[in-house]
Amino acid sequence: QLVLTQSPSASASLGASVKLTCTLSSGHSSYAIAWHQQQPEKGPRYLMKLNSDGSHSKGDGIPDRFSGSSSGAERYLTISSLQSEDEADYYCQTWGTGIDVVFGGGTKLTVL
Amino acid sequence: QVQLVQSGSELKKPGASVKVSCKASGYTFTSYAMNWVRQAPGQGLEWMGWINTNTGNPTYAQGFTGRFVFSLDTSVSTAYLQISSLKAEDTAVYYCASLRPGYWGQGTLVTVSS
Repeated sequence: QLVLTQSPSASASLGASVKLTCTLSSGHSSYAIAWHQQQPEKGPRYLMKLNSDGSHSKGDGIPDRFSGSSSGAERYLTISSLQSEDEADYYCQTWGTGIDVVFGGGTKLTVL
Repeated sequence: QVQLVQSGSELKKPGASVKVSCKASGYTFTSYAMNWVRQAPGQGLEWMGWINTNTGNPTYAQGFTGRFVFSLDTSVSTAYLQISSLKAEDTAVYYCASLRPGYWGQGTLVTVSS
């Protein structure tokens, strides 16, 4: 069964970097994912699509501070030079059989 | 620019129906599938299913069969979500999204309360 696992929370200091992790379930390590950001009281915003080889394509207007990488079944979102507006929930999402969609549970990022 | 503009908030009584619209602009509507995503208060994103914008064929995720209907009007580049026999637990924000290119609607809050 295709499952995406995310840590419920993460924190980092203003100006620092943070790396969020999304883990694909066994047997699905070749899958691409997408990262989405949801700031408080707002709708989700697409950040990027991230392939298994670490190549990624970002959405329009997404700052260079956001980058993605991959290792095995893990997909990472790294945010550098953290700003207060980066405090948000971050969701990974992938496509299963055909075009079915799976979301991870989300990681709540706190900027200290 | 690309936009998915959804209809406004709705307050409904239990047992009623609601129809949420999602109007696309800035791209060819039939190029991408349209997904529907639910977010209950304080919860994460839950995929409800998708509709093929070329054929109109819907696919519903587990837990979203029976009372949920996806439809289209391609002449106005609009997708619809209809929920019937509303229950209190349907209270949520509903989003339309074309996930392959990464387009999201702004969300529609549906509140079910007597």
